[in-house]
Amino acid sequence: GAVVSQHPSWVICKSGTSVKIECRSLDFQATTMFWYRQFPKQSLMLMATSNEGSKATYEQGVEKDKFLINHASLTLSTLTVTSAHPEDSSFYICSARGRWTVGGRTDTQYFGPGTRLTVL
Amino acid sequence: AQTVTQSQPEMSVQEAETVTLSCTYDTSESDYYLFWYKQPPSRQMILVIRQEAYKQQNATENRFSVNFQKAAKSFSLKISDSQLGDAAMYFCAYRSANNDMRFGAGTRLTVKP
Repeated sequence: GAVVSQHPSWVICKSGTSVKIECRSLDFQATTMFWYRQFPKQSLMLMATSNEGSKATYEQGVEKDKFLINHASLTLSTLTVTSAHPEDSSFYICSARGRWTVGGRTDTQYFGPGTRLTVL
Repeated sequence: AQTVTQSQPEMSVQEAETVTLSCTYDTSESDYYLFWYKQPPSRQMILVIRQEAYKQQNATENRFSVNFQKAAKSFSLKISDSQLGDAAMYFCAYRSANNDMRFGAGTRLTVKP
């Protein structure tokens, strides 16, 4: 099965509302989570990096008050898009690095299947 | 900051033929990793191949191989015996020692039957 899952896979919301995207790891302790945004026909752009139990480090130009990241446990990270606007419509992908719950460390970075956000 | 450049927005190959996707990067670091990822229409990122910068030997995974030229900061991907299922977006990626992964703009590969 997939190491990293995301929920929901797609979401449509009204402008001004907040949307939470969950990223979970299975049989894997995600000590570091990465959140990417991908606009249509473009590459993945790193938004922020978070280590479990610590505040996220945001890339330049990414508003930390708008994109709230919580990485409270080794298996769950959430991205909340606050007061979403149509320009926030994008494909959001999480990615995890860490260690297997059983079996030791790996430096492979695992990607979730992504969440498509559409803001009307 | 590290940058990754893929100069071929689109490439096309005939089924069973060989195609090479180009990638160059810019860095001042000596310790890093390079990757090629495949993104099919499902949008799931799939690791194709990885290369550690300290290794001189080019990585190979079945039909996929790389030509890693560290001095030239070049990291091309060769796909041999192309299959219809190879059609996808291919992203070259660089990961630094501080674990930051950066992606190139991508190359859309079409495989013609």
